[in-house]
Amino acid sequence: GDSVTQMEGPVTLSEEAFLTINCTYTATGYPSLFWYVQYPGEGLQLLLKATKADDKGSNKGFEATYRKETTSFHLEKGSVQVSDSAVYFCALTPFSGGYNKLIFGAGTRLAVHP
Amino acid sequence: DTGVSQDPRHKITKRGQNVTFRCDPISEHNRLYWYRQTLGQGPEFLTYFQNEAQLEKSRLLSDRFSAERPKGSFSTLEIQRTEQGDSAMYLCASGATNTEAFFGQGTRLTVV
Repeated sequence: GDSVTQMEGPVTLSEEAFLTINCTYTATGYPSLFWYVQYPGEGLQLLLKATKADDKGSNKGFEATYRKETTSFHLEKGSVQVSDSAVYFCALTPFSGGYNKLIFGAGTRLAVHP
Repeated sequence: DTGVSQDPRHKITKRGQNVTFRCDPISEHNRLYWYRQTLGQGPEFLTYFQNEAQLEKSRLLSDRFSAERPKGSFSTLEIQRTEQGDSAMYLCASGATNTEAFFGQGTRLTVV
């Protein structure tokens, strides 16, 4: 079945460091891909998305490119801040021809230190 | 509209008791989802409603679990005869055609 695999955490970085969180997926058809973020004590929030191959999603300095050839959707940010500390989830919506059920990876915790 | 609202935020119950959670979606959203998230894991899909119709149930949703969405507005998730393995965060999300899912803050269930 469809699945998402993301790198295990925690990822610990100093402020202004470069961030990469790897995400690969297995899916039939043409899924849409998402990154959600969960800040401490808050609900899941959509960070960015891409709906077809070679699309780049971006938001708040974060970017991810939908790579069909490598089935990947790696999250990157050029300069992280302490406020980026959170758990990041990669997810996909299968091509089901209907609604947008999400399949999530296990999450990667990011800790950014001053 | 303040987003997806879930009630209660926390629930502690004794094993064997029944519990019910409520989700109020964003008002114009016709799609509603329930997910379960255990510690250190991503959310797992439980069930989906389009308006009042329950269109999909995960195999994770045992016979002790039941969800309803009367009148296509708020939804309830009931767990009967709770077990310790039911301890988790229960997340509700809503969406509309061609929009992403918006999540509530969840209900944390602890079964003792």
